[in-house]
Amino acid sequence: KNQVEQSPQSLIILEGKNCTLQCNYTVSPFSNLRWYKQDTGRGPVSLTIMTFSENTKSNGRYTATLDADTKQSSLHITASQLSDSASYICVVKEGSQGNLIFGKGTKLSVKP
Amino acid sequence: NAGVTQTPKFRILKIGQSMTLQCAQDMNHNYMYWYRQDPGMGLKLIYYSVGAGITDKGEVPNGYNVSRSTTEDFPLRLELAAPSQTSVYFCASSYSTGQGSTDTQYFGPGTRLTVL
Repeated sequence: KNQVEQSPQSLIILEGKNCTLQCNYTVSPFSNLRWYKQDTGRGPVSLTIMTFSENTKSNGRYTATLDADTKQSSLHITASQLSDSASYICVVKEGSQGNLIFGKGTKLSVKP
Repeated sequence: NAGVTQTPKFRILKIGQSMTLQCAQDMNHNYMYWYRQDPGMGLKLIYYSVGAGITDKGEVPNGYNVSRSTTEDFPLRLELAAPSQTSVYFCASSYSTGQGSTDTQYFGPGTRLTVL
């Protein structure tokens, strides 16, 4: 069954610290992997999209990595800010019908 | 550009009532989608459309209907509302070239629906 699992479920860090969120998937065939940021009460906003051939992609202080062999991805946030408090959702696009499989998200809280 | 807009923001329905959730986009995107997000769960696709006049079922279509008469609008109809349809509904759009596309989906702000 196509699944996307994220860890941890929630995370609290101090402002200025770095953190890494994990995503494991069993989606096959694989098309691409996306990370979204969802602020409370809002719709998700795309951070990065990576295809099979891409190992890393950055968007400002956000850096996503992809290991297609082990079916793992991570999102690294550098020098966290209060505005980084949100849920981060890993999404894998399935390759045969193009369906998006969403993870449940990691809820990040950045404290001053 | 307003992007993707949704109305209403909040709605409370009684069991058995019907309603239409409105969604519009002004980016001339060909694909549009409806998702529901239950607490603590990942988004689930209800219906999607690849262009005006074409719609298809997603993962959880039961109890819903859609239409796409124009490129801009993609309303979602709930018939005979049930408590299981209590959720947050998101509309999204993208310009997609097909299954392998790396198109970015743009989401609306959501509609929070409660069925009592």
